[in-house]
Amino acid sequence: DTAVSQTPKYLVTQMGNDKSIKCEQNLGHDTMYWYKQDSKKFLKIMFSYNNKELIINETVPNRFSPKSPDKAHLNLHINSLELGDSAVYFCASSQEEGLAGNEQYFGPGTRLTVT
Amino acid sequence: GNSVTQMEGPVTLSEEAFLTINCTYTATGYPSLFWYVQYPGEGLQLLLKATKADDKGSNKGFEATYRKETTSFHLEKGSVQVSDSAVYFCALTDRGSTLGRLYFGRGTQLTVWP
Repeated sequence: DTAVSQTPKYLVTQMGNDKSIKCEQNLGHDTMYWYKQDSKKFLKIMFSYNNKELIINETVPNRFSPKSPDKAHLNLHINSLELGDSAVYFCASSQEEGLAGNEQYFGPGTRLTVT
Repeated sequence: GNSVTQMEGPVTLSEEAFLTINCTYTATGYPSLFWYVQYPGEGLQLLLKATKADDKGSNKGFEATYRKETTSFHLEKGSVQVSDSAVYFCALTDRGSTLGRLYFGRGTQLTVWP
């Protein structure tokens, strides 16, 4: 069973389009995250949700809007895509927000290419 | 603030060589420290962790010791294998923060040749 799943795995689209990436975790975790990994492998947190409530919003353009319909899902919608949005986006989850030492489980990533 | 600095790669080794990837950190509170590994085309997975000073995390032959005096958490393996080729990330969470977020280093690409 996949713990954290993302769809799609690859996404190629043109500038100006709107797209969504879906994430689901079946671990019963309280907290979910979105990370962006650039071409140099640098990872940067974008958002964190705890029990469907936004906890972290890390200076991300407001073209990016996370939505958490329930604890197990955290989707990422991106409006008006730009070339600089091309990256790999990772979803992750952990058991309880704020407790150090808790492992975060990562999804396989979605490679977004904007042309 | 909180930050992690790890040695820049890429690191290229022959099979059975000794591996060290250096990692140092700054933290405002009481960090827990992690090493994550990313195999090609995959997401990150936890390799090992340590939650307090002098703790040693270990897994799959890898080890790292939480050194508060030197603010370091260096990753070591005595004999690497081709299958260890991956990107390794040092990271911390800060118990002084209630956000539970991970602060990552920039990653170190390891390539092991047979």
